[in-house]
Amino acid sequence: DADVTQTPRNRITKTGKRIMLECSQTKGHDRMYWYRQDPGLGLRLIYYSFDVKDINKGEISDGYSVSRQAQAKFSLSLESAIPNQTALYFCATSDYRTSGVVETQYFGPGTRLLVL
Amino acid sequence: LAKTTQPISMDSYEGQEVNITCSHNNIATNDYITWYQQFPSQGPRFIIQGYKTKVTNEVASLFIPADRKSSTLSLPRVSLSDTAVYYCLVVLFSGGYNKLIFGAGTRLAVHP
Repeated sequence: DADVTQTPRNRITKTGKRIMLECSQTKGHDRMYWYRQDPGLGLRLIYYSFDVKDINKGEISDGYSVSRQAQAKFSLSLESAIPNQTALYFCATSDYRTSGVVETQYFGPGTRLLVL
Repeated sequence: LAKTTQPISMDSYEGQEVNITCSHNNIATNDYITWYQQFPSQGPRFIIQGYKTKVTNEVASLFIPADRKSSTLSLPRVSLSDTAVYYCLVVLFSGGYNKLIFGAGTRLAVHP
């Protein structure tokens, strides 16, 4: 979805380095998410945020931290990168509705991270 | 949370109709069935969602029997561009966090 952008798209880093992945959205959604995807597997939730003051851990938050700088921006940091954090990382946003269709998540293009 | 089971992979040919079945035996009253599509090196994209009977949009149809323990995503007259991974999810309709659980999905390969 072009309304959800991620930077960088590709990143190579070394073990022990701190890196930040950024996500921006122009959809006006309150909810934002970070997922990682490993080859041949589904997506696993790292962190999610319902608004600027609300941050929640997902299934696999160890080794990661996040920052919700504004409604439109949600950053993921790897404090000290390790090789098993090599994966494809996706940011998503959602538009929760109180009736009718349940929320749909809109995903960014992903960041491919390689930790050497 | 209801777990879903779907085939790991499927093969089809251009112009054929493809049906992907998903099992969700433990689906709860407030759960909705949702399908996402993911192309290589892209994020998943919402395709269709339903609660019961049949739902149709410009991309696909979703068939849900009365007991809701399974569902079938139907893609009419597939083309090569429909080659992707298709995820079946059960999403709780609530005021809180609607957790999405993505399994391995079904890898659909469409051949010329």
